[in-house]
Amino acid sequence: DVKVTQSSRYLVKRTGEKVFLECVQDMDHENMFWYRQDPGLGLRLIYFSYDVKMKEKGDIPEGYSVSREKKERFSLILESASTNQTSMYLCASSKQGGRNTEAFFGQGTRLTVV
Amino acid sequence: GEDVEQSLFLSVREGDSSVINCTYTDSSSTYLYWYKQEPGAGLQLLTYIFSNMDMKQDQRLTVLLNKKDKHLSLRIADTQTGDSAIYFCAESKYGGYNKLIFGAGTRLAVHP
Repeated sequence: DVKVTQSSRYLVKRTGEKVFLECVQDMDHENMFWYRQDPGLGLRLIYFSYDVKMKEKGDIPEGYSVSREKKERFSLILESASTNQTSMYLCASSKQGGRNTEAFFGQGTRLTVV
Repeated sequence: GEDVEQSLFLSVREGDSSVINCTYTDSSSTYLYWYKQEPGAGLQLLTYIFSNMDMKQDQRLTVLLNKKDKHLSLRIADTQTGDSAIYFCAESKYGGYNKLIFGAGTRLAVHP
């Protein structure tokens, strides 16, 4: 069974803390993505990576960074958490190239910044 | 530019058909997707359609694509309470990094 696993379902952090969200996939996918999901706004792409140590900014990268040291793991980092980063964070992975781009999603991490 | 729009809410009676609509702006999109998100879960792919197709049917699901109007719809026949979820429309282009652009999601509520 294919799997994308996010390390935490729920997190509560304080303003100013450095926060790490971890994501691991077992499908040997080249592409990995971090989205945030907010009511009425859908999913917005924060960053994506198409290879180890490679990263590209998405639509809303401000306040975030990412790390991909190994193919199976993609980390999202909030350098200094703020209350407007309270959200649901979804990680996804997909195979690169080809004609179909099905993305597989993790179960999400609901982050609350207080 | 890339933009995907959906209505935010739909309420239907159990046993009726549901139709969820989506419009997109990027005419170069090659694949269009419907994802389902159940409460407290991640997204799960329901179905997809290639841009050279008009229709795709998969059991209770029918996807219609009007490429001229850039309009996509998902019809769920005989809607059940288990179909209550948020449904996301998404578009992507062939090749490259296969980036998906999502709509805001339509919350489907099924009542008895």
